[in-house]
Amino acid sequence: AQKITQTQPGMFVQEKEAVTLDCTYDTSDPSYGLFWYKQPSSGEMIFLIYQGSYDQQNATEGRYSLNFQKARKSANLVISASQLGDSAMYFCAMRELNNAGNMLTFGGGTRLMVKP
Amino acid sequence: SAVISQKPSRDICQRGTSLTIQCQVDSQVTMMFWYRQQPGQSLTLIATANQGSEATYESGFVIDKFPISRPNLTFSTLTVSNMSPEDSSIYLCSVYGGDTQYFGPGTRLTVL
Repeated sequence: AQKITQTQPGMFVQEKEAVTLDCTYDTSDPSYGLFWYKQPSSGEMIFLIYQGSYDQQNATEGRYSLNFQKARKSANLVISASQLGDSAMYFCAMRELNNAGNMLTFGGGTRLMVKP
Repeated sequence: SAVISQKPSRDICQRGTSLTIQCQVDSQVTMMFWYRQQPGQSLTLIATANQGSEATYESGFVIDKFPISRPNLTFSTLTVSNMSPEDSSIYLCSVYGGDTQYFGPGTRLTVL
């Protein structure tokens, strides 16, 4: 079974609008972390935001926020006021702190395209 | 945060040859991770490298094909051996920094 699912292979958003990228996860470990990364065409993986399973509040980092719904096992990334430079691949990932040797498991990614 | 550098940034190689990728971190870390990203795909963990012990390989990856060295707490190498076109990928090393996992800039490998 997939541990991390990103159901949107591609998304368009108009510049300056907000966009939500979906991520659902599956784990039985009560201690886990959820990550979002941005990968531009250069190939580097840029860390955006982190949410721990015990964090009470949704994580925010500038224009990025994570809509964490623990009961639904979803961790959607919200990008506000989209910019042309936001066009990239976005990956959701999970680290299970008690299982799987602390490795990161990645979703299939969503390609975001920002229209001027 | 951790700053990670990789060498080379890209290479074009002939099938049957080997390439060694270097990863340098600006701080001492216990675990270093090597990932592969095939064209149009997500990232897959190849192995975890701990200093002073053998690397731990994930299912589908073997030491003979991807030997790893970890001579100290800031450096690791990954060798892609006896390459074929299917090995054309981006190879990334990665380390933990607090709650975050950081990645190097990647090595873009093309095998002809």
